Amino acid sequence: DVKVTQSSRYLVKRTGEKVFLECVQDMDHENMFWYRQDPGLGLRLIYFSYDVKMKEKGDIPEGYSVSREKKERFSLILESASTNQTSMYLCASSLIAGGRNEQYFGPGTRLTVT
Amino acid sequence: TQLLEQSPQFLSIQEGENLTVYCNSSSVFSSLQWYRQEPGEGPVLLVTVVTGGEVKKLKRLTFQFGDARKDSSLHITAAQPGDTGLYLCAGAGDYKLSFGAGTTVTVRA
Repeated sequence: DVKVTQSSRYLVKRTGEKVFLECVQDMDHENMFWYRQDPGLGLRLIYFSYDVKMKEKGDIPEGYSVSREKKERFSLILESASTNQTSMYLCASSLIAGGRNEQYFGPGTRLTVT
Repeated sequence: TQLLEQSPQFLSIQEGENLTVYCNSSSVFSSLQWYRQEPGEGPVLLVTVVTGGEVKKLKRLTFQFGDARKDSSLHITAAQPGDTGLYLCAGAGDYKLSFGAGTTVTVRA
């Protein structure tokens, strides 16, 4: 079974703090993704990476950055947290084969910025 | 604007009833996936459909991919409380998935 783990289930941070969210997968997947999930909006892609040290902006990258130094680890960084970044953050990994791109998700980190 | 539109947004039914969730788009996808998410957890993949017109069955769940590969439906027969959750459809592009906003299904015992 694919396992994707995220560093924290719950986080509370203050406005202006730098926040690190870490994600680790154990299935040697090339692709990793960061999403945020808000009620009524579904999952929105922040950044993704298709190889080590490679990153691509998703649909809502503003206010975020990422780092992928090792294949199994993908970090999301909030340089200066703001209250509108309060959300559920989900990490996923995948192999892309035959157009499928089946993604495996971690349990999520619920971030509250006060 | 969501690339994929799901309907209905909420569905509450009695145990034993049937339900259908719809996922529609104006875009063509190479494949379409359905996920289920329980509160406080990440989405879990249920099925991937690839061929236009394809029908897949997973016990009491039936998934259909439209002939033009733009829409899909999920039908649950004789729903059980364990089917309660948020159902998400996702269309596959080059590296990315585009998700619908989800349908929250509640099955009452």
